[in-house]
Amino acid sequence: SQKIEQNSEALNIQEGKTATLTCNYTNYSPAYLQWYRQDPGRGPVFLLLIRENEKEKRKERLKVTFDTTLKQSLFHITASQPADSATYLCALDTGGKLIFGQGTTLQVKP
Amino acid sequence: DAGVIQSPRHEVTEMGQEVTLRCKPISGHNSLFWYRQTMMRGLELLIYFNNNVPIDDSGMPEDRFSAKMPNASFSTLKIQPSEPRDSAVYFCASSWERDGEQFFGPGTRLTVL
Repeated sequence: SQKIEQNSEALNIQEGKTATLTCNYTNYSPAYLQWYRQDPGRGPVFLLLIRENEKEKRKERLKVTFDTTLKQSLFHITASQPADSATYLCALDTGGKLIFGQGTTLQVKP
Repeated sequence: DAGVIQSPRHEVTEMGQEVTLRCKPISGHNSLFWYRQTMMRGLELLIYFNNNVPIDDSGMPEDRFSAKMPNASFSTLKIQPSEPRDSAVYFCASSWERDGEQFFGPGTRLTVL
């Protein structure tokens, strides 16, 4: 069956360190993958989109990789700040619609 | 632009009542999505429209749920009759194109007693 897995446990890191979040999937062949940020009580906010023919995408302190062989995307936040604390969702394209993972909650401690 | 607008922000109703959620997408966007989010099931796509036409409603739980998009600037999601298990946060999102980044509204928190 099709499945998207994000680390269900919260990720706690110290300010200034690099946070790495994982998104694994099975039985999908997405043309692209997106990452969103969601704060409590708010809707998700788009961060990055990476296509199947792109290995890596960067935006300021954010970096996303996409390995279609491993069926995995990694989301990195460098020089993390307490303001980066939120839940991060990966979303896979399934032919015109997105399927979202459960999200990983990141807590950056000062 | 005000972003995606949803109303009401909170809705508390009793089992068996009809509930109507409303969404105004960002002007110029041609795709609109309705999602439901719960702790147990995460964020699930219910239905999406492209150019006001429903394209995929496979995520709609059952016949109690219906959605319409009478024009490019307005959509409704209706639940009739509502049940306690429908309690969730319902999000509307819109995008320029079907597979582009999606812009989410603030959500409607529905509680069915």
